[in-house]
Amino acid sequence: TQLLEQSPQFLSIQEGENLTVYCNSSSVFSSLQWYRQEPGEGPVLLVTVVTGGEVKKLKRLTFQFGDARKDSSLHITAAQPGDTGLYLCAAIIQGAQKLVFGQGTRLTINP
Amino acid sequence: DVKVTQSSRYLVKRTGEKVFLECVQDMDHENMFWYRQDPGLGLRLIYFSYDVKMKEKGDIPEGYSVSREKKERFSLILESASTNQTSMYLCASSYQYYEQYFGPGTRLTVT
Repeated sequence: TQLLEQSPQFLSIQEGENLTVYCNSSSVFSSLQWYRQEPGEGPVLLVTVVTGGEVKKLKRLTFQFGDARKDSSLHITAAQPGDTGLYLCAAIIQGAQKLVFGQGTRLTINP
Repeated sequence: DVKVTQSSRYLVKRTGEKVFLECVQDMDHENMFWYRQDPGLGLRLIYFSYDVKMKEKGDIPEGYSVSREKKERFSLILESASTNQTSMYLCASSYQYYEQYFGPGTRLTVT
């Protein structure tokens, strides 16, 4: 059983479209990170969210942390081929000093 | 920028060989981690270290050992490589336990 569920697992869209991917758990997170991993490379940290309800923006990427700190979303506006990659969420589950990773969403942006 | 380097990008070894994977970070981070990444299984923690000469088992330590003689260097050792250890190996470091910075990965094939 995955502690962190990401959806969808795969997403293929056209350049210019908007998209949202999700990261959910039944547990409360102390903090949550989003990473992007390109083929053949290691994950790169994009953002950390800590406070329930927090919203952070990174250019065309908007990250939201749920009020109850059990879920998070990543929204990409006007997707570009350079956004292609595996998006991973990772979280410290409250009460456990352990970073847990989701399975990831594999995103493909077609020109 | 944090830089985490891994000794090899690609490695091919024979069953039974002893394999050393080395990781070096340049940001004076206390914590270092070794993961393996497999399709459908995500990132799984093998070992981590929170200080020189200190190590803790992760979720899948069987068949692996680690060494941390210097703060900047964390080595993963496969005592007797087996085909089921064919995988992408990722090293990471962090100041706090979360917000991990990853190296580019080593794709190990055991034949």
